[in-house]
Amino acid sequence: EAQVTQNPRYLITVTGKKLTVTCSQNMNHEYMSWYRQDPGLGLRQIYYSMNVEVTDKGDVPEGYKVSRKEKRNFPLILESPSPNQTSLYFCASSLGGRDTGELFFGEGSRLTVL
Amino acid sequence: AQSVTQPDIHITVSEGASLELRCNYSYGATPYLFWYVQSPGQGLQLLLKYFSGDTLVQGIKGFEAEFKRSQSSFNLRKPSVHWSDAAEYFCAVGAGYSSASKIIFGSGTRLSIRP
Repeated sequence: EAQVTQNPRYLITVTGKKLTVTCSQNMNHEYMSWYRQDPGLGLRQIYYSMNVEVTDKGDVPEGYKVSRKEKRNFPLILESPSPNQTSLYFCASSLGGRDTGELFFGEGSRLTVL
Repeated sequence: AQSVTQPDIHITVSEGASLELRCNYSYGATPYLFWYVQSPGQGLQLLLKYFSGDTLVQGIKGFEAEFKRSQSSFNLRKPSVHWSDAAEYFCAVGAGYSSASKIIFGSGTRLSIRP
């Protein structure tokens, strides 16, 4: 089954404790992206990757890191989480190019930073 | 700067009634436009897309949308809604140097269905 898998789905952590949210897709997609969803703000792009070893900042990259060492994986790293990073996070992937906007989304990871 | 505006935060319609959700975009070139739906507790699912050509596009679940360049709009429609259509709907525009590397989402419209 074609899917984007995120882990963990739910996480409560404390300020400053490094964490990683993993994302994996099994569709051989070139494009992957991370979004955060906050009430009234819709989805805002954090980082995206157009291919292996190619990443770029989205609209809200501060406080986040990503890497794309393999095509299927695109982990999101919070080196020193803060309460303002409490949010619902989505990983998404697509074929890329003209089909970039045809995104397949994971089920989301709800993060709470105390 | 590219942007997407969904002016309606929350809409309630009766089951069986018609639906129109509004979306306005700001983009310098011909945009790539999308509508996504998010059911409670789920990720987003693509409903339909517009790249070029026919300005009326058909999507899944009986939805359609019409691109109107003169109005910078891409409104979503459905002739008769079902209770299962209750969800949040997001309009999105493809932007960036490749016309697709950056996808910008609107803030969403929550749809409730009155029995």
